[in-house]
Amino acid sequence: GAVVSQHPSRVICKSGTSVKIECRSLDFQATTMFWYRQFPKQSLMLMATSNEGSKATYEQGVEKDKFLINHASLTLSTLTVTSAHPEDSSFYICSARDAGRNTGELFFGEGSRLTVL
Amino acid sequence: QKEVEQNSGPLSVPEGAIASLNCTYSDRGSQSFFWYRQYSGKSPELIMSIYSNGDKEDGRFTAQLNKASQYVSLLIRDSQPSDSATYLCAVNEANFGNEKLTFGTGTRLTIIP
Repeated sequence: GAVVSQHPSRVICKSGTSVKIECRSLDFQATTMFWYRQFPKQSLMLMATSNEGSKATYEQGVEKDKFLINHASLTLSTLTVTSAHPEDSSFYICSARDAGRNTGELFFGEGSRLTVL
Repeated sequence: QKEVEQNSGPLSVPEGAIASLNCTYSDRGSQSFFWYRQYSGKSPELIMSIYSNGDKEDGRFTAQLNKASQYVSLLIRDSQPSDSATYLCAVNEANFGNEKLTFGTGTRLTIIP
């Protein structure tokens, strides 16, 4: 149980294009999902908290107009990197908390490696 | 500001020995604690969760929590080369809800065959 699926796992795009990453909770409902970014040999950096049916909460320094988050259902959140640039190349990971468990555990998707040329 | 501190390592341990990973946290109100394992190029995987003082064992893994000292550790017995990874400590201020986890920077563990 508590499986989180993320797609695509790898994406290469040209500078200036937009890229959408999907995060799905497969066997549980997730009222809240979290989006992280991780650069090589660095720890996870929380970008935003995605809340089902409401606006995402962004961490300080993260541009909400550049990283669009939509959490339209209890099992799906999407992150769109708009007008991507080479400095946006990173490993993006989503995570979700099972609303049916009172344990606080986060379950992570497989991650999406974005390379912007 | 809530902080979670880990020794970044690298920590090298001979195969078959016990690996000991440590973590301290600043928020005395923290209630739930987690250890994640992350292989290079992969996303974190939950290894252990612990909520009350004392030890919690799961196979070769033992988590230890001391809330008075604001300290949580992970012991890996009979270390295997496959245990080589970065281990992330994470802390939550409550046992449930939508609060975000605060992660440490991770300890890189290498098991030497």
